[in-house]
Amino acid sequence: DIQMTQSLSSLSASVGDRVTITCRASQSISSYLNWYQQKPGKAPKLLIYAASSLQSGVPSRFSGSGSGTDFTLTISSLQPEDFATYYCQQSYSTPFTFGPGTKVDIK
Amino acid sequence: QVQLVQSGAEVKKPGASVKVSCKASGYTFTGYHIHWVRQAPGQGLEWMGWINPNSGGTISAQKFQGRVTMTRDRFISTAYMELSGLRSDDTAVYYCARESTATGPDYWGQGTLVTVSS
Repeated sequence: DIQMTQSLSSLSASVGDRVTITCRASQSISSYLNWYQQKPGKAPKLLIYAASSLQSGVPSRFSGSGSGTDFTLTISSLQPEDFATYYCQQSYSTPFTFGPGTKVDIK
Repeated sequence: QVQLVQSGAEVKKPGASVKVSCKASGYTFTGYHIHWVRQAPGQGLEWMGWINPNSGGTISAQKFQGRVTMTRDRFISTAYMELSGLRSDDTAVYYCARESTATGPDYWGQGTLVTVSS
């Protein structure tokens, strides 16, 4: 199975900050990488697919980059509604494993 | 509009089975795979498997093989996930999600809490 890691389990940031969340795969997954946002008690929401493509309806302050094994989700200017937990997931091969998540909270 | 509506919360005893349903509407059910993902309390997301509603073919994570059965009823646009031999560590919210070949899991059900307790 492909293992997904996220370097930070949590980070504190302020409204307006630029936030970068990293994700690493245990082997190359090309660009088969999704990013999700999850708020407490809610289902995950797809933000980015294919490593860098913005899902319809998602604000443009979210962007994704990377390929191979190293990936990044960037929030260019953090908004109050962005405080949540972010997960990466590889869709290269089954099982489609998730990273452990990075919780973004208020500094 | 696309919707996935899941069945309600369940409480089961250890060793029992649970069957969660996921009713799809607003799109052609047979055109999109359905994922099953679970989340234990306070924990991360865990992919369990997926089903092709057209063929009925399934792939499940090795961890769940032998315990999970994914099925569908095309006529009522509903997918099912049955987990047997329940243990306390199967207590979780179980989600279904539609896989768009163009993007990924783009629509999710609201989640079904399954509690395993004696």
